[in-house]
This record gives sequence, C-alpha cells and structure tokens, in this order.
Amino acid sequence: EVQLLESGGGLAQPGGSLRLFCAASGFTFSNSAMSWVRQAPGKGLEWVSSISDDGGKIDYADSVKGRFTISRDNFRNTLSLQMNSLRGDDTALYYCASFDWWSGYFDYWGQGSLVTVSS
Amino acid sequence: SYVLTQPPSLSVAPGKTASFTCGGNNIGSRNVHWYQQKAGQAPVLVVYDDRDRPSGIPERFSGSNSGNMATLTISRVEAGDEADYYCQVWDRSSDHQVFGGGTKLTVL
Repeated sequence: EVQLLESGGGLAQPGGSLRLFCAASGFTFSNSAMSWVRQAPGKGLEWVSSISDDGGKIDYADSVKGRFTISRDNFRNTLSLQMNSLRGDDTALYYCASFDWWSGYFDYWGQGSLVTVSS
Repeated sequence: SYVLTQPPSLSVAPGKTASFTCGGNNIGSRNVHWYQQKAGQAPVLVVYDDRDRPSGIPERFSGSNSGNMATLTISRVEAGDEADYYCQVWDRSSDHQVFGGGTKLTVL
C-alpha cells in the first residue's frame, strides 16, 4: 500500500523558515517523480513544485520560485520542501504527492501538513 | 499562463448524472486529469489522461475532452459522491501544473 506521510508543518513568522518532509513507502520511491501541492484554507488546489525521480529536473510555481527549495533523498525515501521568506499567503495545507512525469498527473497523495504564517 | 475554468457548484439528485466541465483554450490538445476531494480528506485521482480510470475507481466515473472543454461525468450519482472536483493539466510551455478552481457537487 502506498503511503505518504508529511511532517514539519507548524507556525512560522512572516519572513521565517520551515522545512517540510514526506516519508514514502509502499512503492519504489527512486523511480517516482514527486510533487508538493498546497491548499489555502477554504480554497482550491495550487501546485507548488515537482522533482524528477533522480532529482535532475525541478520546477517551481512562480509564487514560490526563489523562496522554496524541493529536494529528495532516494536512500531514505524522503521528499523535502525548504520554505524561506515565508509570507501570509503561504498559509496552507501542504500535500506531498507522487507524480507521473510522462502525463503530468498526481496519482497518490499524503494527508497534508499545515503551515501557518502569522505574527 | 494557462487558465482552467470550472463552475463553482453543481447540484444533482441521487441516481441522476453529474457533468463537470473544465474550460481552457484548446484544452482538447492536452491531457486532462480529475481529482475528487471529500470534506477533510486529501484529493484522490479519479480520471487521468482525459478518460482513463485508476484501479478502484468505479466505472460510473468517465471523462472526455475536445475543443475548449473537458468533461467529467458521474453516472448514477450517490450520496457518497458529494465532494469538490478539480481538473488539472500540465502547461508544457511553462512546465507548470495548473488546476481549475474546483466544482462543489451537492447531492440533493
């Protein structure tokens, strides 16, 4: 059974930093592209970033480019998102999702980690 | 940037058919994917590549895509289908993933 378990969320001040983690199991992590998708309270889904299976290709949404960094550790089956210079509009539930890079869909999702940016 | 347009809400009686639309410029040339998100839960992929269903998704869920409109259809709607439904495409010109705003299905 595919499992994606996010952690690392919490409260951060504007301008601060947080690092999210996603522990993957039940599939061959090193063969799967991965992504982060977020959802602000009461709002729709917003793609944040994607990383290829070997980490060689990375994309970011314009809203986070230059502030967030996605990475992965294929030995520890872990995906990370380093979030710097946080703003109020970064407040959201952040989902980790496996990603089919060929067709561009998110096939498995975690339950999310809540990030709140507030002073 | 590429924009996907979905109506905010849809109401359907049990046993009837629900049709969700997702509009975009020449969307028929792209692969469209659909997600179901029930209240308090993570999204679930229900249709990918316009019309394919992942394992475990009932045959009641089907998709189509042509011209400037993609459609997700749920036949014989059940109370358990009540959820938000999102369409999504890959905008290869920007290498960005794009979601529609979502449609909330209410089962009457």
